[in-house]
Parts: sequence; C-alpha cells; structure tokens
Amino acid sequence: QKEVEQNSGPLSVPEGAIASLNCTYSDRGSQSFFWYRQYSGKSPELIMSIYSNGDKEDGRFTAQLNKASQYVSLLIRDSQPSDSATYLCAVVKFTGGGNKLTFGTGTQLKVEL
Amino acid sequence: EAGVAQSPRYKIIEKRQSVAFWCNPISGHATLYWYQQILGQGPKLLIQFQNNGVVDDSQLPKDRFSAERLKGVDSTLKIQPAKLEDSAVYLCASSLVLGQGYEQYFGPGTRLTVT
Repeated sequence: QKEVEQNSGPLSVPEGAIASLNCTYSDRGSQSFFWYRQYSGKSPELIMSIYSNGDKEDGRFTAQLNKASQYVSLLIRDSQPSDSATYLCAVVKFTGGGNKLTFGTGTQLKVEL
Repeated sequence: EAGVAQSPRYKIIEKRQSVAFWCNPISGHATLYWYQQILGQGPKLLIQFQNNGVVDDSQLPKDRFSAERLKGVDSTLKIQPAKLEDSAVYLCASSLVLGQGYEQYFGPGTRLTVT
C-alpha cells in the first residue's frame, strides 16, 4: 500500500465547473496536509494547507480533511483553464527525527473550454 | 521576499561523471530539504537539514550522493558517480523551522539528464 495515494487522472472538467481531487494516506500518525499545484516543467507551488478535521476555504479552493477516514480532498470552484496542472497531495508526519513530507504521485487536471 | 534559488537549471552529463547542485533557501528559513522528482512521480525526500545539521538522510543513496550545508544557509548536493537512473529534477525546498505545520516552499529545480 502506498503511503499517499491519488488517482493519476487525467481529470477533465468543463470551464466553470467544480473540480474534486482526492487523496488517501496510510499513516494514522500524519499531522499536516498540503496541496501543491505543479505546472508542466515547473516546481510545486503550495496552494492549501490543512491541519484539523473539517473544511478550509481560500478563494476558489476548499480543502477537506477527515482523519478518521484518512482522506483529504481539494475542491476547485469555477475552474479555469489556468487551473490545468498536476495537483500533488502531501502528508507530513513530524517525528523527533524531522518533518517527513510524503507526496502522492499527483492528479492531472484538465479544464476544458 | 526572494524565493528559493537553485543552480544550474539544467545539466547534462555522461554516466559515471560527477555533478553538483546549489541551493540558497528563503532568507531566515532554518530548514532545508533536497528532493528528487522522477518524471510522472511525486517528489521524494533525499535529505533534510536543520541549520547546518542533518535531521533525516534515510532515503539518500549514500554510496553516490552527498550533501552539505556548512554555514547553515546555502547547500550543495553532489552525485558521484552518476547513473542513468539519476536522471530527474532535483528540487530544493525550505521552511521557517522544523516542526509540523511549517510549510515548505520549493525552488525552480535542476533538471539532470544522465546519458
């Protein structure tokens, strides 16, 4: 079982629709959760962080965390063509030995005109 | 605020040669990370520094990879000798301090091709 699992996609949504991206993780001790956006040929860019159960909204983005189900999601409202990218879910478990940030393989999102 | 700086941006070498990458983190960030990202995969942590000390290098192939952060600011990652499977993007990231909840910010990366 992978530590962080994402559907690789591509996920295609029409412009203006809601895109829903999902992520599951295996380590119940995970404490912090992040979503990164990565355009082709570019480095990951942090877009959302969430630390407690529930929803966190920032503009068109909403992150949802359910620790009991070990599930994190990202909703993108009013999707735009510029949102087309790979979205990486990252999970952190902090130990005395450091901040272990583990990434999923990413979901490719395509927003179509 | 300036972001994480990396150089070079691209490097092509032959197998068995050596290569070095440089990273300068965001000013004031104590923690620095090196990741390897192979095409189609998520970044994989190689090594993590807190100031000039190594916090975690459990996934660093120590027979060929080495890294240092001598003055607790910029860092160098070296590969010697390189193998074909080392072809990847090498990403440097930094965060303010070590601890949960502290977000990591990535540099532009160095794309390495080993032929």
